[in-house]
Amino acid sequence: GDSVTQMEGPVTLSEEAFLTINCTYTATGYPSLFWYVQYPGEGLQLLLKATKADDKGSNKGFEATYRKETTSFHLEKGSVQVSDSAVYFCALSANNAGNMLTFGGGTRLMVKP
Amino acid sequence: SQTIHQWPATLVQPVGSPLSLECTVEGTSNPNLYWYRQAAGRGLQLLFYSVGIGQISSEVPQNLSASRPQDRQFILSSKKLLLSDSGFYLCAWMAGFYGYTFGSGTRLTVV
Repeated sequence: GDSVTQMEGPVTLSEEAFLTINCTYTATGYPSLFWYVQYPGEGLQLLLKATKADDKGSNKGFEATYRKETTSFHLEKGSVQVSDSAVYFCALSANNAGNMLTFGGGTRLMVKP
Repeated sequence: SQTIHQWPATLVQPVGSPLSLECTVEGTSNPNLYWYRQAAGRGLQLLFYSVGIGQISSEVPQNLSASRPQDRQFILSSKKLLLSDSGFYLCAWMAGFYGYTFGSGTRLTVV
């Protein structure tokens, strides 16, 4: 079945540091890929997405590129802020009839001032 | 505009008691609806999804059930809660082919 693997956290960075959160996937066909963010005590918000190979999703300074050859969708940000502290989830949708999302285990990011 | 409502926000229930969590969507028709659970320190697990009224697909067998009595209403239930049912429950709907919108979640603690 489909699966998503993320690096385990927590990831602790100082403000203005460079961020990379690794995400790899296993899926049949050509899934769509997503990054969701969950701030403390809240639900999930879509951060960015990519629907086909070599697409780059970007939002709020975050970027991720759909790499079919390495089945990866790593999340990056050049300079993190304290307000970026949250849990980040990588997910895929196999674009099947139910359009279910398969999530990775989540990575907690803590940014210190 | 489309919105999704989920309640209650927090719930503390004794073991063996029943459960009913409700999710409603506004501003759309015939949405795909989903229930996910996030156990403490873990990722999200799909519990149920529904593509229409009365149509429920279960992804994980357990003592929970779901119902969709109306087009924009999705209910998660249990007859007798277990300690292992504690977690953060999220309702979601498909906002277009590539977008999910999540509710604000219900934090359930079974004591």
